[in-house]
Amino acid sequence: GQQVMQIPQYQHVQEGEDFTTYCNSSTTLSNIQWYKQRPGGHPVFLIQLVKSGEVKKQKRLTFQFGEAKKNSSLHITATQTTDVGTYFCAGDQTGANNLFFGTGTRLTVIP
Amino acid sequence: NAGVTQTPKFRILKIGQSMTLQCTQDMNHNYMYWYRQDPGMGLKLIYYSVGAGITDKGEVPNGYNVSRSTTEDFPLRLELAAPSQTSVYFCASSPGLAGGGRELFFGEGSRLTVL
Repeated sequence: GQQVMQIPQYQHVQEGEDFTTYCNSSTTLSNIQWYKQRPGGHPVFLIQLVKSGEVKKQKRLTFQFGEAKKNSSLHITATQTTDVGTYFCAGDQTGANNLFFGTGTRLTVIP
Repeated sequence: NAGVTQTPKFRILKIGQSMTLQCTQDMNHNYMYWYRQDPGMGLKLIYYSVGAGITDKGEVPNGYNVSRSTTEDFPLRLELAAPSQTSVYFCASSPGLAGGGRELFFGEGSRLTVL
């Protein structure tokens, strides 16, 4: 079955440092979504990438979809304490009724 | 601004008990989902529904049942609770197929402990 792996599992950074999480799928994805879950909260949609090689930016966050549509990354520039949480990627194959979520990367930002 | 509402937020069950987690959405979304989240893991799909009267199994359906009699409601039933069902349960809805260009809107979660 389809698997979506995410690394690293945990990341501690000093405030102001950059952060990157990587998402890899065992199969080609039709699109990929990213979600953020604050501690004790629920996942909240951040963005969706659809095209091969697509890059999207949201302020300090940069999202990338690989050329082969099997991997993706989220990069945060100059982290802030408000960035704390777990970041999940979620992808699916064409026609699937389900998003396969990665295991998530828990980000801790040290002030 | 209700969105997706789940009840209860917390529940402790004894082994063998049954219960229903309630989920209601007011966004008129056709698609609804139940996920479970275990510590250090991503979300696993239990069941989903593409509209009233239509449900289907996800990745981890064993031990659970669902029904979808209305567009708004998608309750999850746990029969004969087991410790392995200790988890945080999230209900979500989507205007279309999840991943098909349609984001998921999640409820706040229900933390279930089975002792």
